[in-house]
Amino acid sequence: AQSVTQLGSHVSVSEGALVLLRCNYSSSVPPYLFWYVQYPNQGLQLLLKYTSAATLVKGINGFEAEFKKSETSFHLTKPSAHMSDAAEYFCAVSLPYSGGGADGLTFGKGTHLIIQP
Amino acid sequence: NAGVTQTPKFQVLKTGQSMTLQCAQDMNHEYMSWYRQDPGMGLRLIHYSVGAGITDQGEVPNGYNVSRSTTEDFPLRLLSAAPSQTSVYFCASRRQGPYNEQFFGPGTRLTVL
Repeated sequence: AQSVTQLGSHVSVSEGALVLLRCNYSSSVPPYLFWYVQYPNQGLQLLLKYTSAATLVKGINGFEAEFKKSETSFHLTKPSAHMSDAAEYFCAVSLPYSGGGADGLTFGKGTHLIIQP
Repeated sequence: NAGVTQTPKFQVLKTGQSMTLQCAQDMNHEYMSWYRQDPGMGLRLIHYSVGAGITDQGEVPNGYNVSRSTTEDFPLRLLSAAPSQTSVYFCASRRQGPYNEQFFGPGTRLTVL
């Protein structure tokens, strides 16, 4: 079974500072990995995804993530935080099958990103 | 495309009442899922479907029923509402295949008194 751990339920950074949101996964087979963002009172939307084409993945709004197999990590970064980045961020791992009470997609518990002016 | 739509956006129920949360998608996706989101708990899978006529239980299925008679629709039924079901509910859909992204609806905020 796969699992996802997001370190830090809340992360606070100053506007203009580096954003780093951590995600570690466990999987018995090569995973597909996703980052989703949820703005207040909205549904989740895709930021970026890793599908084995390249280990450094660029997404929307200046975010990127690097897949590191040796560290089983898929951390999300942005060089310079903007006030509009304040949101909840979810890491997810996907496997090529469903069943066992899962639809093949497992989410982390989320990290709330706070941007200080 | 409208994507994934959910109705209603807000709902208040009394304990013991029943209701159906509607979900529809116009992308011809095979997979559809229902999640609930509670503070500090992340997203928890309630039920999911891998195609019309096929449904299965997720992590927290008790108190909920689903059916999938068409590819487009995936309603979630609360049989006898309880205060513990106060939550925000999200419907989602995606194409079969682990590399495909999940598309989410805007959510339904449910309060059970």
